Amino acid sequence: SQQGEEDPQALSIQEGENATMNCSYKTSINNLQWYRQNSGRGLVHLILIRSNEREKHSGRLRVTLDTSKKSSSLLITASRAADTASYFCATEGTNFGNEKLTFGTGTRLTIIP
Amino acid sequence: GAGVSQSPRYKVAKRGQDVALRCDPISGHVSLFWYQQALGQGPEFLTYFQNEAQLDKSGLPSDRFFAERPEGSVSTLKIQRTQQEDSAVYLCASSFPGTLNTGELFFGEGSRLTVL
Repeated sequence: SQQGEEDPQALSIQEGENATMNCSYKTSINNLQWYRQNSGRGLVHLILIRSNEREKHSGRLRVTLDTSKKSSSLLITASRAADTASYFCATEGTNFGNEKLTFGTGTRLTIIP
Repeated sequence: GAGVSQSPRYKVAKRGQDVALRCDPISGHVSLFWYQQALGQGPEFLTYFQNEAQLDKSGLPSDRFFAERPEGSVSTLKIQRTQQEDSAVYLCASSFPGTLNTGELFFGEGSRLTVL
């Protein structure tokens, strides 16, 4: 079963605008990660935020984590056509020694040139 | 190789056939994961190995699904007596676990299975 629900399911914006997508999850986590998937390809890791962190930046990416609300957001600034992809959040649970990630349902992002 | 390699990339099977999907993880990666991704959905966990030990197979949907990693490197996911609902992309991922909270997974391109 999916751990996370992502919102919105689909998002279309003009190139240069900022894109924000949200993720909610259900159980306690060690960390939360965001992945990108281009059509017909595998997933690529973008950024990881630990459960004791609240915000993290990487290039044009900004991730926030609110463990009290069990939610996270991914902000992509100054979007480019190449950012068109599906974005998934994934959580690592707190079971020691089990590193499996549980993925959300994904947000399909389209950047309009 | 430089990345996770999966084969075949595409497989068409008649209902009732057995299929085998192969995953070659990044050299030295201890952990290996199999996920199933239906069209338009997120990846769903199937099973997880650390070296040759299968530590979690809670996501395997039925006893028709079997995974192995006998020498702790290459893994094979086998599906017996395929059904139409098995049609999906099967993703393999590997990681090198160290301390907690460094659990980035490296994914292959996937094997797309279509059962007719």
